[in-house]
Amino acid sequence: NAGVTQTPKFRILKIGQSMTLQCTQDMNHNYMYWYRQDPGMGLKLIYYSVGAGITDKGEVPNGYNVSRSTTEDFPLRLELAAPSQTSVYFCASTPGTGETQYFGPGTRLLVL
Amino acid sequence: AQTVTQSQPEMSVQEAETVTLSCTYDTSENNYYLFWYKQPPSRQMILVIRQEAYKQQNATENRFSVNFQKAAKSFSLKISDSQLGDTAMYFCALNTGGFKTIFGAGTRLFVKA
Repeated sequence: NAGVTQTPKFRILKIGQSMTLQCTQDMNHNYMYWYRQDPGMGLKLIYYSVGAGITDKGEVPNGYNVSRSTTEDFPLRLELAAPSQTSVYFCASTPGTGETQYFGPGTRLLVL
Repeated sequence: AQTVTQSQPEMSVQEAETVTLSCTYDTSENNYYLFWYKQPPSRQMILVIRQEAYKQQNATENRFSVNFQKAAKSFSLKISDSQLGDTAMYFCALNTGGFKTIFGAGTRLFVKA
């Protein structure tokens, strides 16, 4: 099992550009999450999904969009990138509520 | 509202010694799950230990153990025989059985040779 994979590992964006962060898991988990981690801080939930076709907002959803067309994939879309979106982004999945979350290696995003 | 507080932003310990990281939380739920996650400099977060609130017995995982005090809403992590590879950021987290998990701000641990 590869677990949770994320691409790209690192990206520099100019203000106003858009991009999609990819996340794939091969553990057949229903629940998937996107977090952002600002320097020296904990994780903040951006969006989550409880299954294919079902997504919902977390604490900090503004400026982001998600989709979940399959169990495996949960891409995060940034529209009109802003410097405030400079962060490290983590995707995670879990088989159920109260269970361990499995994290991807993260995507470091720099918006200049 | 649920909260998780880690009051020690940074700690250090000598190799082979024991260190305890503190975590307090707040929830009105009676059943919930607590976690410690480790984030090494490579960034990928991994589970250290998981505790189910309805279990009285403290969870252990090799050199890692917790002191779970339900009444005090405290969930500290003890690392015995510290190793250089334990250098990492450690996050305490709370899940009350719903879809969301609340993470603390983290404690950065340095293990010195």
